[in-house]
Amino acid sequence: SQQGEEDPQALSIQEGENATMNCSYKTSINNLQWYRQNSGRGLVHLILIRSNEREKHSGRLRVTLDTSKKSSSLLITASRAADTASYFCATVDTGRRALTFGSGTRLQVQP
Amino acid sequence: NAGVTQTPKFQVLKTGQSMTLQCAQDMNHEYMSWYRQDPGMGLRLIHYSVGAGITDQGEVPNGYNVSRSTTEDFPLRLLSAAPSQTSVYFCASREREGQETQYFGPGTRLLVL
Repeated sequence: SQQGEEDPQALSIQEGENATMNCSYKTSINNLQWYRQNSGRGLVHLILIRSNEREKHSGRLRVTLDTSKKSSSLLITASRAADTASYFCATVDTGRRALTFGSGTRLQVQP
Repeated sequence: NAGVTQTPKFQVLKTGQSMTLQCAQDMNHEYMSWYRQDPGMGLRLIHYSVGAGITDQGEVPNGYNVSRSTTEDFPLRLLSAAPSQTSVYFCASREREGQETQYFGPGTRLLVL
């Protein structure tokens, strides 16, 4: 079963707008990561937030983590057409050694 | 560094055939994993390895075998292909325990008829 579930499943916005994606998970985690996948390509790591962190920034990306609600959000500010991709959250459970992925959010940024 | 490489890029099999998907990394990473991705879904873990000679099952291991004789290579074997194994397969690696970022290969698209 999927550990993380992203919301929404699909998102379409205009260039310059902000995009927010949410992820919920089920078990205790060591960290949560966000990955991007362009169509037909492998996944690329974007950002990692540890279970003792609440917010993290990287360029135009802002990630929050609420362990009490078992949820995370990814905000992409001032979106660009090149941000068009699928975005996945992934978790490493405490006691496990491999990532578990959510089903992803498909982001379409219209130029 | 080439990173994580996978071959072939695309393969068509008939039901019952066997094949091996190749994965190699040149980053001296300890951990390697195989995932499958079905349309509209995230990645599901098939098998993973935390070092040469050590493998373990993931979420969907049935019908697949792995071995890890070297640090660099982590082949995935389909013993008797079934249409349900039609998918895109991704290999990934990460450096070691505590280094959580995974690096993915470009994927192998498999069609089983």
